[in-house]
Amino acid sequence: GQNIDQPTEMTATEGAIVQINCTYQTSGFNGLFWYQQHAGEAPTFLSYNVLDGLEEKGRFSSFLSRSKGYSYLLLKELQMKDSASYLCAVRDSNYQLIWGAGTKLIIKP
Amino acid sequence: DAEITQSPRHKITETGRQVTLACHQTWNHNNMFWYRQDLGHGLRLIHYSYGVQDTNKGEVSDGYSVSRSNTEDLPLTLESAASSQTSVYFCASSETVEMSPLHFGNGTRLTVT
Repeated sequence: GQNIDQPTEMTATEGAIVQINCTYQTSGFNGLFWYQQHAGEAPTFLSYNVLDGLEEKGRFSSFLSRSKGYSYLLLKELQMKDSASYLCAVRDSNYQLIWGAGTKLIIKP
Repeated sequence: DAEITQSPRHKITETGRQVTLACHQTWNHNNMFWYRQDLGHGLRLIHYSYGVQDTNKGEVSDGYSVSRSNTEDLPLTLESAASSQTSVYFCASSETVEMSPLHFGNGTRLTVT
């Protein structure tokens, strides 16, 4: 079966750096997405990786290793507004999105 | 600005009733999707459409139906609501199937009593 694994919850301190990991086993691979979802709101797109390596976008970076079935989202200079759930999703060989259950990130002052 | 709008935002209904959740997008996207989100689960695909008159079943389609009569709208109908269908429902659209991210509506919280 297809599976996306990410930690359920993480805690970090304001101003620090946090890395949220995502491992996947899917039928084929056509890209990996990271979304941010604040409580009670819709998911919003953060990043897209289809080739191995690091994609940087401001304070957020996303890394992909297709051979290891692994990605991470790196958040730098954490702010209180970064408290949210972070969703990892992989597009499979049929171009369907397979979603992880999300990682709830708690930022402490 | 283009957007995707869901209505209602909250709905309480009784077991056995038919319920329709609306989704309207002004992105002019051909691709539209309905997901449900439950605690401890990833987003699960209910139905999707790649264009007018096209509809397809997702992984959790039992008890749900959709219709696509125009580009802008993809209403989701629960034919006979069940307590197991209590959930948050998200509609989404995308420009392409291959690479584009999804744009999500704000969700509908449905409670079936």
